[in-house]
Amino acid sequence: DIQMTQSPSSLSASIGDRVTITCQASQDINYFVTWYQKKPGKAPKLLIYDASNVETGVPSRFSGGGSGTDFTFSIRSLQPEDIATYYCQQYGDFPRTFGQGTKVEI
Amino acid sequence: QVQLQESGPGLVKPSETLSLTCFVSGDSITSYYWTWIRQPPGKGLEWIGYVHSSGNTKYNPSLNSRVTISVDTSKNQFSLRLTSVTAADTAVYYCARGTHRFVYWGQGILVTVSS
Repeated sequence: DIQMTQSPSSLSASIGDRVTITCQASQDINYFVTWYQKKPGKAPKLLIYDASNVETGVPSRFSGGGSGTDFTFSIRSLQPEDIATYYCQQYGDFPRTFGQGTKVEI
Repeated sequence: QVQLQESGPGLVKPSETLSLTCFVSGDSITSYYWTWIRQPPGKGLEWIGYVHSSGNTKYNPSLNSRVTISVDTSKNQFSLRLTSVTAADTAVYYCARGTHRFVYWGQGILVTVSS
């Protein structure tokens, strides 16, 4: 299985801060990465696909980048509604695997 | 508007079979692949597997011998069956559309394995 090592596991930031999360794949997965936002009691919400494409309807403060084995996810200016856990997921191979998650707190 | 809705028992006894159904509305189940994903309490997300209306399936090897995902095109729904469950199978189970990026999800159903 492809391991997705996500860091940090949690972070504390202030409103308006730039937040960056990284995900490292255990092997080359090209650009086949998505990023999700997960709030308690809610289904995950797709934010980024193909490493850097912002899903329709997602605010432009969310962005992603990277290719191969190293990927980043950023929130340009943290808003109160962004408090959540964020997960990367690879679809370069089966089984699909997720990072361990990054809990973003204020 | 595509909507997915999981249903099934919220409590299953150890060694028994977990059975869940995902009803799809606003879309034809014959048009896409359909996936199950779960999240144990306090843990991360785990991909279980997918099914296509053709019957094509793919499963997570960690569950391969215990899992079956099937589709009922007449009812526009698909199902998950997980045998010989243990406490480690306690999780919120989600159904979703697609095989690689998941835009549409059900709201999730908590299944607890306990006697």
